[in-house]
Amino acid sequence: EVQLVESGGGLVQPGGSLRLSCAASGFTFSSYSMNWVRQAPGKGLEWVSYISSSSSMIYYADSVKGRFTISRDNAKNSLYLQMNSLRDEDTAVYYCARENGGSYYEDYWGQGTLVTVSS
Amino acid sequence: QSALTQPASVSGSPGQSITISCTGTTSDVGLYKYVSWYQQHPGKAPTLMIYDVSNRPSGVSNRFSGSKSGNTASLTISGLQTEDEADYYCSSYTSSSTYVFGTGTKVTVL
Repeated sequence: EVQLVESGGGLVQPGGSLRLSCAASGFTFSSYSMNWVRQAPGKGLEWVSYISSSSSMIYYADSVKGRFTISRDNAKNSLYLQMNSLRDEDTAVYYCARENGGSYYEDYWGQGTLVTVSS
Repeated sequence: QSALTQPASVSGSPGQSITISCTGTTSDVGLYKYVSWYQQHPGKAPTLMIYDVSNRPSGVSNRFSGSKSGNTASLTISGLQTEDEADYYCSSYTSSSTYVFGTGTKVTVL
């Protein structure tokens, strides 16, 4: 069974940093590209970042470019999102999602971790 | 990248059919067959309902179907059931090798 479990969320002050993790199991993690998607309270989904299976390709939404860094450790079956210079508008539930190997869509999602940026 | 445009809400009675539209541009929906749809119940993670415009993952009811014409994709739910009440989001791969989601549609079963 495919499982994605996010952790690392919490309350952080504006300008602060936080590192999210996503532990993957039930599939060969090193063979799949991964994404982070977020959802502000009461709002819609927003794609945040993508990383290919080998980390050779990485993309970011304009809203987080230069502040967030996506990475992965295939030996630990883990995906990460380092978030720096956090702003109020970064407050959201952050989901990690697996990209299907044959096309461009997210076939499995984690349960999400809440990040709250507030003073 | 601007969000894809969806109606804020759509409603229908049990047994009826409803259609949710998703309008993008020639850089996303109009360019690729890579449109997907997600269902999200309150407090839950999204779940995949349709991929590659019109394909259903295993386990998804055949009451859900997808299509696309030009820059607009559509999700149709036929034989509406109470458990279909949820938020629905479309998503498309883009020419920038990124993803863009729709604004979301709240489906209400009357």
